Amino acid sequence: ETGVTQTPRHLVMGMTNKKSLKCEQHLGHNAMYWYKQSAKKPLELMFVYNFKEQTENNSVPSRFSPECPNSSHLFLHLHTLQPEDSALYLCASRDTAGSSTYEQYFGPGTRLTVT
Amino acid sequence: AQSVAQPEDQVNVAEGNPLTVKCTYSVSGNPYLFWYVQYPNRGLQFLLKYITGDNLVKGSYGFEAEFNKSQTSFHLKKPSALVSDSALYFCAVSSGSGYSTLTFGKGTMLLVSP
Repeated sequence: ETGVTQTPRHLVMGMTNKKSLKCEQHLGHNAMYWYKQSAKKPLELMFVYNFKEQTENNSVPSRFSPECPNSSHLFLHLHTLQPEDSALYLCASRDTAGSSTYEQYFGPGTRLTVT
Repeated sequence: AQSVAQPEDQVNVAEGNPLTVKCTYSVSGNPYLFWYVQYPNRGLQFLLKYITGDNLVKGSYGFEAEFNKSQTSFHLKKPSALVSDSALYFCAVSSGSGYSTLTFGKGTMLLVSP
């Protein structure tokens, strides 16, 4: 897990707050992903970036705003969240330029609680 | 559209016994299949993958999985379970082409009793 780091590990925020989640990968990958993991539900893909360009937005509400300034860093900006947004937010990265690696590598996640 | 089914919410096995965690998939074209494990308060950790070649693939921590094209299955197996194998296991599928994304199953909790 040290290849992909996420901060903070835990976050409690009110519905009117603005906060950001940070992800950094040290693997030299060119694609980065945000997932939402809620209890009793499959992982939900939120956003995909390839070479800093957003290539997928999986119908995510606008209160979640991603930012990818370079291939190593990915942010998720949060504002006016709802209690149902409480979940574990996972970042992952992958080398899409390589010919033999297809797996994604995940960070430890940020446990978000919206009060 | 691609999908993954993990029919068991939980699998219970005694330490030392063989274990199987089931996975079936649906995807257009050739499947790229993966197993991940998640320990409490941790991210997902890659275990093994099937891309092409031998139907039996070996991965980390003594786990293996068998690709069965006719049954569209990719079951995870281990000959002798350890208590430390207790965790949440996810199967995932991708079509593999270009920037194709992974679709995950809902996960199966494996509990290994001493």
